[in-house]
Amino acid sequence: DAGITQSPRYKITETGRQVTLMCHQTWSHSYMFWYRQDLGHGLRLIYYSAAADITDKGEVPDGYVVSRSKTENFPLTLESATRSQTSVYFCASWDRGQTNEQYFGPGTRLTVT
Amino acid sequence: LAKTTQPISMDSYEGQEVNITCSHNNIATNDYITWYQQFPSQGPRFIIQGYKTKVTNEVASLFIPADRKSSTLSLPRVSLSDTAVYYCLVGSGNTPLVFGKGTRLSVIA
Repeated sequence: DAGITQSPRYKITETGRQVTLMCHQTWSHSYMFWYRQDLGHGLRLIYYSAAADITDKGEVPDGYVVSRSKTENFPLTLESATRSQTSVYFCASWDRGQTNEQYFGPGTRLTVT
Repeated sequence: LAKTTQPISMDSYEGQEVNITCSHNNIATNDYITWYQQFPSQGPRFIIQGYKTKVTNEVASLFIPADRKSSTLSLPRVSLSDTAVYYCLVGSGNTPLVFGKGTRLSVIA
């Protein structure tokens, strides 16, 4: 199916565990993004990538690691999860061009206990 | 990046036109104004984008005055299904857009 997918959709993990959230897009968009959204708040950019093997920090990168070995995948890893990382995580892609239209995935709801 | 300011929340009755204004005093010459809509438990989705004057599509209209320091998203005859958070963003497409807290629109029957 064409589009942008995230997995898992829901995840419960314990403090200190490593967790990887997956993001896959089928459009070959150059840019990909990871956002977090805490309850009742707007989206905050964690990391973004302009192309394969190019990543950059966003507003709140601490505690997260990203990689982008292939254009279509952009995994986000929490190396040692903390309760403050409980949030909904959205991945997005963007084909830089005429519009600022980013395409968002369905989100991953992560709970750290 | 140009910062934006928009109301935290708005209420409207069904069938009314809703106008959400966004202030972006520091908008740069190359910046576009983009609006997104986010329903509960979903990712945001692009609604409309404009540079100046007026843009209209099947979902909304976007009014941008000549000085471009503000913009107004207009939703005609809202329904309950328009209840969502609406984000105003400004950027040129050279760097990632910054999402603020948006405006939470509640449509009342």
